[in-house]
Amino acid sequence: GAVVSQHPSWVICKSGTSVKIECRSLDFQATTMFWYRQFPKQSLMLMATSNEGSKATYEQGVEKDKFLINHASLTLSTLTVTSAHPEDSSFYICSAPFVGGISYEQYFGPGTRLTVT
Amino acid sequence: GQNIDQPTEMTATEGAIVQINCTYQTSGFNGLFWYQQHAGEAPTFLSYNVLDGLEEKGRFSSFLSRSKGYSYLLLKELQMKDSASYLCAVRDSHGGYQKVTFGTGTKLQVIP
Repeated sequence: GAVVSQHPSWVICKSGTSVKIECRSLDFQATTMFWYRQFPKQSLMLMATSNEGSKATYEQGVEKDKFLINHASLTLSTLTVTSAHPEDSSFYICSAPFVGGISYEQYFGPGTRLTVT
Repeated sequence: GQNIDQPTEMTATEGAIVQINCTYQTSGFNGLFWYQQHAGEAPTFLSYNVLDGLEEKGRFSSFLSRSKGYSYLLLKELQMKDSASYLCAVRDSHGGYQKVTFGTGTKLQVIP
């Protein structure tokens, strides 16, 4: 099936620094990718929709200037957490829809665990 | 907005059958997903229903009723490895803009 990769799988950074997370669709093109955040024992919360060639669409309450999203190509979207703080520590997961004929599936990357110290 | 409800926790016995329900309220409904997620891992796709009825995939089946805003995931012949969280997610479309929103998830514990 379709595969989505994320890099890095985990990262530890100091408070105030920025961290970039990459999401790639490996064997299909994705004009749209989704970024989610998941805190321990909670469900996935949609942060934003990444659109190739245009601005990302952010969910209510998500700071655009803090979580920068760039969808530079049909196979790559990046999420940059700027000026990270300990409360940004979370599991960040991207996903990409795969449309084949009448079927629609959404595949997730393996996630990136961010720890801000 | 969307409102997606599913039970928080369920317990079932190995070898048995369990049904996990999900109700939703949304405009622009364009499909419902079920995912399995083990602790510390990303979700794994299980099923996608866009039309009413039952979809069967091996031990897993998913049902959808659009008029009732209701779906369930049925797991048969439960195995210990089925202990995980099961996430119901709704795909919503508005004027070409689409997003998938998740429910809070149901933590299933399979006991011997």
